[in-house]
Amino acid sequence: AQKITQTQPGMFVQEKEAVTLDCTYDTSDPSYGLFWYKQPSSGEMIFLIYQGSYDQQNATEGRYSLNFQKARKSANLVISASQLGDSAMYFCAMTLIQGAQKLVFGQGTRLTINP
Amino acid sequence: NAGVTQTPKFQVLKTGQSMTLQCAQDMNHNSMYWYRQDPGMGLRLIYYSASEGTTDKGEVPNGYNVSRLNKREFSLRLESAAPSQTSVYFCASSDMGQVNTEAFFGQGTRLTVV
Repeated sequence: AQKITQTQPGMFVQEKEAVTLDCTYDTSDPSYGLFWYKQPSSGEMIFLIYQGSYDQQNATEGRYSLNFQKARKSANLVISASQLGDSAMYFCAMTLIQGAQKLVFGQGTRLTINP
Repeated sequence: NAGVTQTPKFQVLKTGQSMTLQCAQDMNHNSMYWYRQDPGMGLRLIYYSASEGTTDKGEVPNGYNVSRLNKREFSLRLESAAPSQTSVYFCASSDMGQVNTEAFFGQGTRLTVV
């Protein structure tokens, strides 16, 4: 079975600073995908970034990058130049690369950006 | 673009009542999912449908049933609601075999069982 662990229940960061949200995962399957989703106070789930287990390079999407360390089974999200609108819950999730995309989520990290 | 549409958005039930949550997607996705999110927790998979005509249990299926009505629609039924089923329910869809693209989520249904 797959497992996602997010050890930071909450983080507080000054606007314009970079922030790293931690995520470790556990699976015995070599083929998997890792995701980060953002959930603002309005409740919707917003996709941020994806990393495949066989991808050679770390994924990047605008201000978001994923620091993928396969040997350590970590997939940390880095947000550069944080903005007030980045305040939200952030979830790390994974799925196996076969069949349906059954996501396993971590407990989330609540990020608060201070002006 | 509608994406994934869930109804209702809010619902209050009494213990023992039944209800069906509706979900429809307009992206021609093969796979659909139902998740629940309890306070302070991530989403957990209740049931999923990998393709039209199939359904399978997820991590927390007890107390729920599902129906994949057609390729677009996937409903979740609570036969006899319990307070432990108070949660926010999310429907999602994705392309099977395209794992490097995201799942698309509905806006959620906030269900309270009293």
